[in-house]
Parts: sequence; structure tokens; C-alpha cells
Amino acid sequence: GAGVSQSPSNKVTEKGKDVELRCDPISGHTALYWYRQRLGQGLEFLIYFQGNSAPDKSGLPSDRFSAERTGESVSTLTIQRTQQEDSAVYLCASSLTDRGRGSSPLHFGNGTRLTVT
Amino acid sequence: GQNIDQPTEMTATEGAIVQINCTYQTSGFNGLFWYQQHAGEAPTFLSYNVLDGLEEKGRFSSFLSRSKGYSYLLLKELQMKDSASYLCAVRDWNYGQNFVFGPGTRLSVLP
Repeated sequence: GAGVSQSPSNKVTEKGKDVELRCDPISGHTALYWYRQRLGQGLEFLIYFQGNSAPDKSGLPSDRFSAERTGESVSTLTIQRTQQEDSAVYLCASSLTDRGRGSSPLHFGNGTRLTVT
Repeated sequence: GQNIDQPTEMTATEGAIVQINCTYQTSGFNGLFWYQQHAGEAPTFLSYNVLDGLEEKGRFSSFLSRSKGYSYLLLKELQMKDSASYLCAVRDWNYGQNFVFGPGTRLSVLP
């Protein structure tokens, strides 16, 4: 079966340009997460979508970052006016809704490696 | 907020046993997960604990003590392919369905 798919796998952009990263979650997974991972560091939460509920945007580092999700499918993460500190791997993950039991694990895509020059 | 701590790096020998610790502080604990991440790859799910005790899955086991805010991942009969980063992640009711990850422990398995 298909896993979480992210595109592009690599993106090199010039400082100041906008970039759009795409995530296709596993079919049937209602929850979708974006994380950022800088080189040699842990995962930094960015945003979380659950069904038709309002997204949890508490991890977005600045108003240059935004994300959308169409229903329970594709999500796009947009970074406007990119800066060099935005260089990182952006990981998308999806999970089933576990109705509060907390047991559904995240399934990650392979990430988009963003390099801002 | 939440605070999750893990050792940064560990080294062990092929065939040995290694224990990777994770301590956390959270007011609404709702589960702890361990993930494995090979260099340049996505994290993959290893184990889940929500009740105290040991969960065993082949060569890997995970332990949880909620009263101590402590978990460990135990890897037995180490193989070279176990060289990877191991990430501890906690879910907290006060943060909805969010997963908060620790910094990860980079394990090197030597021949």
C-alpha cells in the first residue's frame, strides 16, 4: 500500500523566493502533521490538521509559514520570502484518528530537503 | 510546556544490549512513542507505551514509568543496521493530538 508521499524530495531556492511543499497522506488517515528537522537536530512541530477541525498552528515559527489541507487529503506547506534559516528537512506525517486513546502512531513521508541559498 | 530529554549519542558493540533513556515532564500524559530514524530517512514507528511496564517486540523492548516520567528503549543482540537515531515522543492531552519529540539519541553500533 502507498505510504505518505511528499514532493519535491529536494528543493533549492534563492533567499526571498516563495516555496510550496506538498504532502499526500495515507488514504483514510484523518490527522496530518508537518514537522521541521534541522541538520542533526530533533523534530520541531509546525502544524496539525484533524478532519474538518481548525488546524493547530501553534508551531509555525512566523507568519511567513502557512499550510492548507483539502478535506482529508493533500496538504501544502508554503514558506514565503524564504530565509537561510528555513533550510531544513520538512517532514509530513499522517495517522488514524484514535478517538482519544492516543495509540495511533505517526507514519512519516521521506521529507522535502529545502536549501535556501 | 513540555520537556523531553535523551542522551545525545551512544556507542555499543555488535551483539550487545543497549538501553536508551528518555525523561519527560508533562501534565496530561497520553502516551509515549519510540521511533527509529536512519540517516537521511524518515522516522519509523517502533513502540508505544501508555501504561506502566515493559512492552516487548522481538529484539526491541520499551519500558514506561509514568510516576517517574521515564521511559527506556532496550535493544538486544545489536546489529550494525541498528545504527540510527532513536526518537522519543510524548502525547499530552493539553496539546490535543500533538506529538512532541525529544532531541533524539544517535546510536553507533561498532563491529
